[in-house]
Amino acid sequence: EIVLTQSPGTLSLSPGERATLSCRASQSVRNNYLAWYQQRPGQAPRLLINGTSSRASGIPDRFSGSGSGTDFTLTISRLGPEDAAVYYCQHYDTLWTFGQGTKVEIK
Amino acid sequence: QTQLVQSGAEVMKPGASVKVSCKASGYTFTDYYIHWVRQAPGQGLEWMGWINPRTDDTKSAQKFQDRVTMTSDTITSTAYLQVSRLRSDDTAVYYCVDNWGNYWGQGTLVTVSS
Repeated sequence: EIVLTQSPGTLSLSPGERATLSCRASQSVRNNYLAWYQQRPGQAPRLLINGTSSRASGIPDRFSGSGSGTDFTLTISRLGPEDAAVYYCQHYDTLWTFGQGTKVEIK
Repeated sequence: QTQLVQSGAEVMKPGASVKVSCKASGYTFTDYYIHWVRQAPGQGLEWMGWINPRTDDTKSAQKFQDRVTMTSDTITSTAYLQVSRLRSDDTAVYYCVDNWGNYWGQGTLVTVSS
């Protein structure tokens, strides 16, 4: 089972800044089966990125994913107040696993 | 459009069992797996397992293998998650999710308390 470790735990940035979130896997992720979700308080998670870098339907191009092997990144350019949330990376294959999450705060 | 609608909140005693339902609409129910994910208060997401509604095959995370039963009813396009021998640390919001993570149910809060 792949273990995903996200960093940092919390990111506090100002509106308009760029956020860089990291997700490290305990072993190589095959077929780039890595996704990212956003979860706002009181809501179900929302899929942002799958296949490491493909934006889900309706997701603005401010969100981008990259990486390969064991190291993956979610970048949010030009942060807005609506981006305050917890972000989770996920490996999906026969089993699913989630990282522990990164909380993004907007100053 | 695809929708997953779950049953309402439950309050259960320790040792009891709970069964959560997830009714799918907007697509052919047997075309995609349904996954179950839970989230304890203030905690992260924890994957529990999946069911293939076409074959009734299931796969659970190892920690849940002896307490979780996943079933489906193709007539009503509904998936079910049963958790037995409930403990206080099973208190969580339980979500059903489509195979690709695009669609999530609204969540069902299960509270385990004596």
